[in-house]
Amino acid sequence: GIQVEQSPPDLILQEGANSTLRCNFSDSVNNLQWFHQNPWGQLINLFYIPSGTKQNGRLSATTVATERYSLLYISSSQTTDSGVYFCAVQGGSEKLVFGKGTKLTVNP
Amino acid sequence: EAGVAQSPRYKIIEKRQSVAFWCNPISGHATLYWYQQILGQGPKLLIQFQNNGVVDDSQLPKDRFSAERLKGVDSTLKIQPAKLEDSAVYLCASSLDIPRYSYEQYFGPGTRLTVT
Repeated sequence: GIQVEQSPPDLILQEGANSTLRCNFSDSVNNLQWFHQNPWGQLINLFYIPSGTKQNGRLSATTVATERYSLLYISSSQTTDSGVYFCAVQGGSEKLVFGKGTKLTVNP
Repeated sequence: EAGVAQSPRYKIIEKRQSVAFWCNPISGHATLYWYQQILGQGPKLLIQFQNNGVVDDSQLPKDRFSAERLKGVDSTLKIQPAKLEDSAVYLCASSLDIPRYSYEQYFGPGTRLTVT
């Protein structure tokens, strides 16, 4: 099945800093989603981005499907951005497969 | 638009007891999923329904887990008997699944199960 690798596994930032999270995947996809899991366990949809670039406020994402990677950019980070960021991909009729996540801690 | 609803939010049971979780998907979403998320890991698909038919249950431990989706709307996931290793968050998700348009999945708040 499709493999998903996220990096870095852990990231510690000071409030106001920028960061880039990476997601590599092993095969072509028809679904790629970025989620933020908050400290209460809720998975919040950030982007549905099987290809191209999208922006939503301080967050943006780019997926280069031909090179099998996606990037999530967080600018001017805030303490509320803390949590785990998951990339999940789905190819063909396969199931949605999650990476192991990037744990982000934003310190005041 | 209401999101995916799940209940209960928390459940503590002893091993060998049974437990059931309920999910109501987003209105109009034909596809419903149950995931298991063990602490420190990403969610893992247990079962996928398309309307009230099972599409994928390859990772469902069928000797103890069962799920149904009556009338193609609400769904129930049951564990009987529970084991210590079933302690996890159980997430329900739903999607429209429109080919070449969107396969985006939306998740409910989850049920945190602790088996003692």
